[in-house]
Amino acid sequence: SQQGEEDPQALSIQEGENATMNCSYKTSINNLQWYRQNSGRGLVHLILIRSNEREKHSGRLRVTLDTSKKSSSLLITASRAADTASYFCATDPYSSASKIIFGSGTRLSIRP
Amino acid sequence: GAGVSQSPRYKVAKRGQDVALRCDPISGHVSLFWYQQALGQGPEFLTYFQNEAQLDKSGLPSDRFFAERPEGSVSTLKIQRTQQEDSAVYLCASSLLTYNEQFFGPGTRLTVL
Repeated sequence: SQQGEEDPQALSIQEGENATMNCSYKTSINNLQWYRQNSGRGLVHLILIRSNEREKHSGRLRVTLDTSKKSSSLLITASRAADTASYFCATDPYSSASKIIFGSGTRLSIRP
Repeated sequence: GAGVSQSPRYKVAKRGQDVALRCDPISGHVSLFWYQQALGQGPEFLTYFQNEAQLDKSGLPSDRFFAERPEGSVSTLKIQRTQQEDSAVYLCASSLLTYNEQFFGPGTRLTVL
C-alpha cells in the first residue's frame, strides 16, 4: 500500500517554466522527503522536510509542508531539460520505526 | 566515495527458479532497506535492517522472500520459486541512521518468464 499520492500523475512544461507537484498522505508523519528518479535509474534524494517545518529551499527547489492538510508541494523553478524525471514523495509515518512509504510519482517532462 | 551497488543489474529467471540479489551499502551505514518497484509505480517497502538485525520484514509479500545481512554490511534478498508477479525492479538503500536520508542503488531488474 502507498501512503502518498502525487498530483498530477504526469506534467509536461516548457523549459524555463516552473513545475509544481503535489503530494497528499494519510497518517501523521515524522518527516517527508522528495526523491527524483531518472528512467531506469535509482532514486536520488532531493530534500527532507520535518513535520515541524513549513517550507524549505534547496537551490531551484522549494518544498512546502502543511501537516493540517496532510499535503506537500515541490516547486522546481526555471526548469531545465535535465529535470525530466519521475518525482516521488516519501513519508516516514509516525507509527513506524523504520519504513518510509513512497507515493506513485509524478512524471515530469521538460520540452526544449 | 562509492555509493550503493547492486548485482546483478538484470536477471532473467524461469518461473520456479530461485534467485539471489545482492546489495553493497555505503560503508559505515547502519540501516539497509529493500524495496520492490513495479513499472510505473513508486517503490514499496519490503524489509529493513539495522546492522545485522532484521527489524521489520512486514513488506515481504510471501514466505518465498527472504533477506539477510549476516555481518551487518552486504545484504542478500532471496526469492524462492519465482513467479511472474515477482517481476519488478528491486531497489536497495542504505542510510547512516534510521531517520537519515536514504541512498539508493541502481536496482536489479528481475524478469520472470
